[in-house]
Amino acid sequence: KNEVEQSPQNLTAQEGEFITINCSYSVGISALHWLQQHPGGGIVSLFMLSSGKKKHGRLIATINIQEKHSSLHITASHPRDSAVYICAVRWSGGGADGLTFGKGTHLIIQP
Amino acid sequence: DAGVTQSPTHLIKTRGQQVTLRCSPKSGHDTVSWYQQALGQGPQFIFQYYEEEERQRGNFPDRFSGHQFPNYSSELNVNALLLGDSALYLCASSFRGGTYNEQFFGPGTRLTVL
Repeated sequence: KNEVEQSPQNLTAQEGEFITINCSYSVGISALHWLQQHPGGGIVSLFMLSSGKKKHGRLIATINIQEKHSSLHITASHPRDSAVYICAVRWSGGGADGLTFGKGTHLIIQP
Repeated sequence: DAGVTQSPTHLIKTRGQQVTLRCSPKSGHDTVSWYQQALGQGPQFIFQYYEEEERQRGNFPDRFSGHQFPNYSSELNVNALLLGDSALYLCASSFRGGTYNEQFFGPGTRLTVL
């Protein structure tokens, strides 16, 4: 069964700390998404990766295709970063674009 | 650009009823995917519509059906509602001609079945 695993499930940190959230998947993918979901539901796409590294402001996403692993990093974390961060993949092999999601990482940044 | 929009925002139904949820894709997008997110879980893929046809389907019963209109907007219909259908229903749009078809999500419709 194709699976997406995230860790940690929950993470509480102090403002200013460097945050790392991990995502592993079981088979080949064509793309990996990092998403942010705030209470109330709305999902915002942070990154879409197929290789290498991407950076946007204080957020950095990396992916290692050989190891089937991706990380999302937050530098100089802030309470407004508190949200659920979700990893989602599109399996390789063509077909439609339905994503498979991890269960999410609940991040709380305390002031 | 309004992005992906969904209606209604919230909905309360009773068991056995039928519900229709609506989604308008981001401007320039032609593909709509629907997801169900139960409380505390990651979203689950329901199905995807492109060129007014269902292209791929997740592990959901036939009670879940959909439609895509010529303007690319889409509806999700759920018949014979069960308590377990209570969830946040998310719509995502993408452009099929793109290399990796990045998906943009709507705010969701929260369905409560009593």
